[in-house]
Amino acid sequence: DSGVTQTPKHLITATGQRVTLRCSPRSGDLSVYWYQQSLDQGLQFLIQYYNGEERAKGNILERFSAQQFPDLHSELNLSSLELGDSALYFCASSEGTGDDLFEAFFGQGTRLTVV
Amino acid sequence: AQKVTQAQTEISVVEKEDVTLDCVYETRDTTYYLFWYKQPPSGELVFLIRRNSFDEQNEISGRYSWNFQKSTSSFNFTITASQVVDSAVYFCALSEAARDDKIIFGKGTRLHILP
Repeated sequence: DSGVTQTPKHLITATGQRVTLRCSPRSGDLSVYWYQQSLDQGLQFLIQYYNGEERAKGNILERFSAQQFPDLHSELNLSSLELGDSALYFCASSEGTGDDLFEAFFGQGTRLTVV
Repeated sequence: AQKVTQAQTEISVVEKEDVTLDCVYETRDTTYYLFWYKQPPSGELVFLIRRNSFDEQNEISGRYSWNFQKSTSSFNFTITASQVVDSAVYFCALSEAARDDKIIFGKGTRLHILP
């Protein structure tokens, strides 16, 4: 158990809908990362928050947004869903940043299926 | 731009054989971190190692060893005396931590250990 909790584990929804994925980082970790894993694209970095502020941004679509709350949990919002958004979405957390970045602990992922 | 290439998409070896997973990276920075993660069939991502760019010493941990060569921008991973439980997808990753914290992953190598 990595200590990172993601809910829900599975989500099935229709095209055009909006969903929210939730992540609780390990106790004490200030950084939260979101990744999308699909068969053809591999693990794609979406976005990172550190202590409530956006720190790094990857190839995150405009239809997607994220935030990190004062209690450090994070949510990834996916809207106007398309079939191609079906993927495994991982959240990870880490304690430090920059030169103090050590390992990122990953949650079990949320498997999103868009039908 | 940072990039990680794992040229081996899939490898199959017989149990007890040694196997090396290749990883080649690209970065403009002099300070960076390299990682290996394991993704077993259960789906979670498990941290294996972090190496910073100033430490070219090879590392051994039980049956696992890592060879970091800056001259060839490679960070290869060897499993000695492989076991069926080693079957998983292995990801090499890179972080230019002086720039931001995003960890960029290679596409992974799927390793099958045959009994």
